[in-house]
Amino acid sequence: AQTVTQSQPEMSVQEAETVTLSCTYDTSESDYYLFWYKQPPSRQMILVIRQEAYKQQNATENRFSVNFQKAAKSFSLKISDSQLGDAAMYFCAYRSAVGTSGSRLTFGEGTQLTVNP
Amino acid sequence: DAGITQSPRYKITETGRQVTLMCHQTWSHSYMFWYRQDLGHGLRLIYYSAAADITDKGEVPDGYVVSRSKTENFPLTLESATRSQTSVYFCASSDRPQGLAGPTYEQYFGPGTRLTVT
Repeated sequence: AQTVTQSQPEMSVQEAETVTLSCTYDTSESDYYLFWYKQPPSRQMILVIRQEAYKQQNATENRFSVNFQKAAKSFSLKISDSQLGDAAMYFCAYRSAVGTSGSRLTFGEGTQLTVNP
Repeated sequence: DAGITQSPRYKITETGRQVTLMCHQTWSHSYMFWYRQDLGHGLRLIYYSAAADITDKGEVPDGYVVSRSKTENFPLTLESATRSQTSVYFCASSDRPQGLAGPTYEQYFGPGTRLTVT
């Protein structure tokens, strides 16, 4: 079974600065997807960014980018020019690419990000 | 309303009572999921369904029952609620994954139901 670990329960950043959230995972599969979800106080789960394991290029979405290290099984999220609206719980998630289990998400424990003005 | 909805949004019940949480999606997605969110655990999968009348257990299925007679609905029932089932419950849906050759269908989440068992 796959596991996802987020070792930073809480992080803080100054507005306009850059912060990196860490995520590691364990799997024996070679094909899979990785995601970062954001959960603001409203509780709504919002997809921030996704990465296909077969792609070497790191995914980027505006101020959000990832550092995907497949051999190290590491998938960190970098938020540049942090904004007050970025304050939220962030979850790293894994999804297999094969079989019916390829629809399931396995989540990490989450990192609570605080943005200080 | 288009999207995925959950009802009720908040529920307080007593130990031993049966509770049903409702989930409805309007996209005709094949897959539907139930997760629970607890501090320190992130979201954990309870049950999922690949299509109408096809369901399968997730990571924490004990004490829960699901059914899926229609594609758009996926109710979750706690047959005899316990305090350990106090949690926030999320329903999600997605299209059928097409493997590496297809798009990376994301899961869309409902707003969640906060359930308290006293």
